[in-house]
Amino acid sequence: SQQGEEDPQALSIQEGENATMNCSYKTSINNLQWYRQNSGRGLVHLILIRSNEREKHSGRLRVTLDTSKKSSSLLITASRAADTASYFCAETSGSRLTFGEGTQLTVNP
Amino acid sequence: NAGVTQTPKFQVLKTGQSMTLQCAQDMNHEYMSWYRQDPGMGLRLIHYSVGAGITDQGEVPNGYNVSRSTTEDFPLRLLSAAPSQTSVYFCASTFSGGFFSEQFFGPGTRLTVL
Repeated sequence: SQQGEEDPQALSIQEGENATMNCSYKTSINNLQWYRQNSGRGLVHLILIRSNEREKHSGRLRVTLDTSKKSSSLLITASRAADTASYFCAETSGSRLTFGEGTQLTVNP
Repeated sequence: NAGVTQTPKFQVLKTGQSMTLQCAQDMNHEYMSWYRQDPGMGLRLIHYSVGAGITDQGEVPNGYNVSRSTTEDFPLRLLSAAPSQTSVYFCASTFSGGFFSEQFFGPGTRLTVL
């Protein structure tokens, strides 16, 4: 399997804290995407970072990409209870989009 | 726009039965794809389509058929259901960038095969 790995598998924090999730991948990517999934729902696209980009911001989200280490991180700042969800990274290479197993984030009020 | 819609939301089948999972999108997207999501695993690609009349296999195509007669619809057929096909199925679509672009996902169909 070409699935990447997310770390940690589960993360529990208090509201207001920052949450950092990491993703490692195995191939030479075109881009890397992050998605969010609320319990029992479909995935929602959060952010896309291209292989020639090192950092990208979107609101409270910050994504970094280190192609030399084949890794990416997603930082959610000033977390809210509504951020509770599973977060997936997905690597795009060739004609495939390959998802990792996800990080379950719980933000406690 | 309704986005990506899937029916049914839930389905229970007996081993050996066949059924079709429906997926439709109203965004005029060229690319559509089907994934399955199993506990503790990421999404795995079953089949995808780059346009009407064109389909291709993904990572786990066995036991599934697809067709793409229109831009809007991309049904997934289970030919003879097996317990190993118990999963949550997601349909996704995107515009001309294909897998290089953000995917728009439907709400999913939860399938149980007894």
